[in-house]
Amino acid sequence: EAEVAQSPRYKITEKSQAVAFWCDPISGHATLYWYRQILGQGPELLVQFQDESVVDDSQLPKDRFSAERLKGVDSTLKIQPAELGDSAMYLCASSEASGGNNEQFFGPGTRLTVL
Amino acid sequence: KQEVTQIPAALSVPEGENLVLNCSFTDSAIYNLQWFRQDPGKGLTSLLLIQSSQREQTSGRLNASLDKSSGRSTLYIAASQPGDSATYLCAVPYSNDYKLSFGAGTTVTVRA
Repeated sequence: EAEVAQSPRYKITEKSQAVAFWCDPISGHATLYWYRQILGQGPELLVQFQDESVVDDSQLPKDRFSAERLKGVDSTLKIQPAELGDSAMYLCASSEASGGNNEQFFGPGTRLTVL
Repeated sequence: KQEVTQIPAALSVPEGENLVLNCSFTDSAIYNLQWFRQDPGKGLTSLLLIQSSQREQTSGRLNASLDKSSGRSTLYIAASQPGDSATYLCAVPYSNDYKLSFGAGTTVTVRA
């Protein structure tokens, strides 16, 4: 069964360091999403890609976060410098398209701890 | 933006009891509603997607109902098992780009 892959699964870093997360969506899925989930809350969208283009990054803290999907397949989310408040689960999801009837499939997530 | 609320925040039941999880949303103009399961420290697993034109959707012991006009969905889990212990989240698309707005989830504990 096709799955969304993410790595690493866990990351511990010190504040002010740079971190990067990787996501490989389900093959053929044009739309890719990065979410951040703080403990005890639901996920919140950070950025949405349609193929290689950013559709929405309105909730992405652009002074320290960046995301790219250069070839329209896998994607990288970077934080530089990391802050204590960035400790969270970072989830990647994909769907066939961005239409409202398209189900989103999630990866296992990357748990980030900033010390 | 859609506001999604899930009540209760936590639920503990003995094995075998039926579970009833509630989800409410503020904007009834939705395309669909998704229910997810999340185990501690893990990603989200999609359980059911119910289209706006449907009243309910079933998968095994799970049944989800949708009442768009009242802005509510209910997830029923029949004959609960300890393996059903997890956090259950509902999500609805918002805006023209159909991004998902999530509730905070209901954490379920099924006692053996």
